[in-house]
Amino acid sequence: GAGVSQSPSNKVTEKGKDVELRCDPISGHTALYWYRQSLGQGLEFLIYFQGNSAPDKSGLPSDRFSAERTGGSVSTLTIQRTQQEDSAVYLCASSLGGRGNNSPLHFGNGTRLTVT
Amino acid sequence: QQQVKQSPQSLIVQKGGISIINCAYENTAFDYFPWYQQFPGKGPALLIAIRPDVSEKKEGRFTISFNKSAKQFSLHIMDSQPGDSATYFCAASMIGGGADGLTFGKGTHLIIQP
Repeated sequence: GAGVSQSPSNKVTEKGKDVELRCDPISGHTALYWYRQSLGQGLEFLIYFQGNSAPDKSGLPSDRFSAERTGGSVSTLTIQRTQQEDSAVYLCASSLGGRGNNSPLHFGNGTRLTVT
Repeated sequence: QQQVKQSPQSLIVQKGGISIINCAYENTAFDYFPWYQQFPGKGPALLIAIRPDVSEKKEGRFTISFNKSAKQFSLHIMDSQPGDSATYFCAASMIGGGADGLTFGKGTHLIIQP
């Protein structure tokens, strides 16, 4: 079956512009996560959705970052007024169950964001 | 606070050798320890995982060793192959609850030289 799909795969934007990153999780997966991976760095947690609600937004680095999930499926991560330090690979993952049941995370291939 | 410390940051191993990556954790409530493998341009994928009720789990050439008293666990790749070259992340979480999800280590960039 289809895995987690992210679009676009690459995005180049000018400093100060807004960007939207999209994630299509695996069908039936109730949990969805956004992570950020800077060059050569680890996985930085951003936000966790269970269904359409986000019980954990603790990783969002500033109020320029927001995310939503609709229909228990597609999620959009929005970065307003992008800065150069926002340049990174943004990874989305989904899992069958929520936190605590340790369903494996299935990651997409990410969106590489470059802010010039 | 870094709850899962991973080492080394990078590792070069000759083909056929044993690759060893170590992780240490602080939270004694952690009871699930997966390893994820990430190839360039791809997202991480679950490789192997262990619960603390066993000290070792083996799947093919990949083995997790777990030392509960030391709060450490490690990934061993036997007969390492060039196709194993990737970034490996250890992680930890609590089964059955807890406000936090998976806590990842910072990753190990593994290169297997032919």
